[in-house]
Amino acid sequence: GAVVSQHPSWVICKSGTSVKIECRSLDFQATTMFWYRQFPKQSLMLMATSNEGSKATYEQGVEKDKFLINHASLTLSTLTVTSAHPEDSSFYICSAIYRGHTEAFFGQGTRLTVV
Amino acid sequence: GQNIDQPTEMTATEGAIVQINCTYQTSGFNGLFWYQQHAGEAPTFLSYNVLDGLEEKGRFSSFLSRSKGYSYLLLKELQMKDSASYLCAVKDSNYQLIWGAGTKLIIKP
Repeated sequence: GAVVSQHPSWVICKSGTSVKIECRSLDFQATTMFWYRQFPKQSLMLMATSNEGSKATYEQGVEKDKFLINHASLTLSTLTVTSAHPEDSSFYICSAIYRGHTEAFFGQGTRLTVV
Repeated sequence: GQNIDQPTEMTATEGAIVQINCTYQTSGFNGLFWYQQHAGEAPTFLSYNVLDGLEEKGRFSSFLSRSKGYSYLLLKELQMKDSASYLCAVKDSNYQLIWGAGTKLIIKP
């Protein structure tokens, strides 16, 4: 199956700093990439949908100025958590789909801890 | 609103069979997915149903009834490594994936 690589796997940062998470599709060109957040024992919550070369579409309640998404190429999308606070601590997961394929392929996830 | 319901937690015995149910109410339907998620890891794809009926894939089978808004995932010959959360997700009319909260499956020896 297709491979999506997400980096880093985990990160600890200080409150007020910014953190960038990368999501790469290694062997296919992703039509669309999705960013999710998952709090412990809760479901995946879609944050935004990202299409290459266009602005991301954010879900209601997600601050686009705080969670910056860049999808510069068909194989790379980045999520930057700006001015992180402890409440942003969560598991962030990206997924990608490509044209003609049904399932979404997931990255390994990034465990963010803000101290 | 859109809603997907599945049990929070289930317990089963190694070697046995377990059925995890999922009911959904979504704006449109373009397929139902089951994913397995181990703690601290990303979900991995298990099955996809878009037509009514049973899809079998090794020890795992998934069933769909669109008229009832219902699906189940059937796991046979349970192994300890099957201990995980099982997520039901529906692709709605906008082709967005709507996720259930997941069912934590505990396998006991």
